[in-house]
Amino acid sequence: QSALTQPPSASGSPGQSVTISCTGTSSDIGGYNYVSWYQQHPGKAPKLMIYEVNKRPSGVPDRFSGSKSGNTASLTVSGLQAEDEADYYCSSYGGTNNVVFGGGTKLTVL
Amino acid sequence: QVQLVESGGGVVQPGRSLRLSCAASGFTFTSYAMQWVRQAPGKGLEWVAVISHDGSKKYYGDSVKGRFTFSRDNSKNTLNLHMNSLRTEDTAVYYCARGSLYFGFDYWGQGTLVTVSS
Repeated sequence: QSALTQPPSASGSPGQSVTISCTGTSSDIGGYNYVSWYQQHPGKAPKLMIYEVNKRPSGVPDRFSGSKSGNTASLTVSGLQAEDEADYYCSSYGGTNNVVFGGGTKLTVL
Repeated sequence: QVQLVESGGGVVQPGRSLRLSCAASGFTFTSYAMQWVRQAPGKGLEWVAVISHDGSKKYYGDSVKGRFTFSRDNSKNTLNLHMNSLRTEDTAVYYCARGSLYFGFDYWGQGTLVTVSS
């Protein structure tokens, strides 16, 4: 199963919005509403930020939102803050009792 | 609070075996599917395996299928990952995580580093 495709980097200034894309196929992202997004700070474990395309776990700020169109999912971070600087990974149910991850996007807050 | 604590990592030679464990606490362990996810140094996340809440179903990523075995002991709230025929490309931090294949992994351990090197 091929990894999902994410841009290697993204950036924005404090207060701005940034959107990270995640492209798959009709066998994963396009076929199911089971897209998740994770935030990972250096040396730390990943943290679930979005599940089922656009749902936020308890405690995740509403500045984080998710969406999907066709085979591409997106994570939008609004009102960027310094602490949002991290790596972000998308994942999707892969259709054959598996999960596939994206390669990750390093978000820089300028 | 939910806690997942991995152990068992270390340095191992190619072709040898290693067993990782994950101790779970703070939630009803028998109600949740559990996962292993790994991350090679400086690289992205890679899904390794899933086990159902009762241990009856297990699925593996293509890169570890036939070499790794995932098990759970619901009486002790523990997970085990038996890794055989280890390769240098298995070098990674291994995380256990809670959750199904569909709804995201909502809690993760701190990870344990496995280094496969001669």
